[in-house]
Amino acid sequence: KQEVTQIPAALSVPEGENLVLNCSFTDSAIYNLQWFRQDPGKGLTSLLLIQSSQREQTSGRLNASLDKSSGRSTLYIAASQPGDSATYLCAVRGKTSYDKVIFGPGTSLSVIP
Amino acid sequence: DTAVSQTPKYLVTQMGNDKSIKCEQNLGHDTMYWYKQDSKKFLKIMFSYNNKELIINETVPNRFSPKSPDKAHLNLHINSLELGDSAVYFCASSHRVALAGELFFGEGSRLTVL
Repeated sequence: KQEVTQIPAALSVPEGENLVLNCSFTDSAIYNLQWFRQDPGKGLTSLLLIQSSQREQTSGRLNASLDKSSGRSTLYIAASQPGDSATYLCAVRGKTSYDKVIFGPGTSLSVIP
Repeated sequence: DTAVSQTPKYLVTQMGNDKSIKCEQNLGHDTMYWYKQDSKKFLKIMFSYNNKELIINETVPNRFSPKSPDKAHLNLHINSLELGDSAVYFCASSHRVALAGELFFGEGSRLTVL
């Protein structure tokens, strides 16, 4: 049974710092991995999706990497800004495109001006 | 244009009542989902439909009944509401093949059972 964990649970950094959020999953047979952000009281916004055959994806100041063999993904945020404050969720889809997507518990990020 | 839209956004009701939440997506996706986010903010899959066919049905009480009239709509009906049903319910959609199965979420429907 796939389990997804995220470390740390919460993180507070001063503005301008580079930071790394971690995601681990127990079953390496995945179809894809997706990073989301959730602002308080809002829905989830997709940030990056990495297919199982890919190693990383980049979008602006965000870079996500995937190491399937070790069951890990990292989300790197460069030059953090107060607007980056949100909860970041990692989600893993099982072996096929029909399989369910399992979410991690999230990392709550606070960027202090 | 909202890609995945849910109504209502807020729902306050008494125990024992029956309520429905509606979801529509205009992304041309063929798969839709219901997720539940509890008070601890943990997101858990409830149901998934592909082209109107139920493909994922997690261990959810049978008081919860999803219905997909077409592949752009997925509704959730809840009978005999209980206090523990209070949560935020999210609808999501994806395409099984295109866009690598990327998930898109609605804004959520906050259900409060008194």
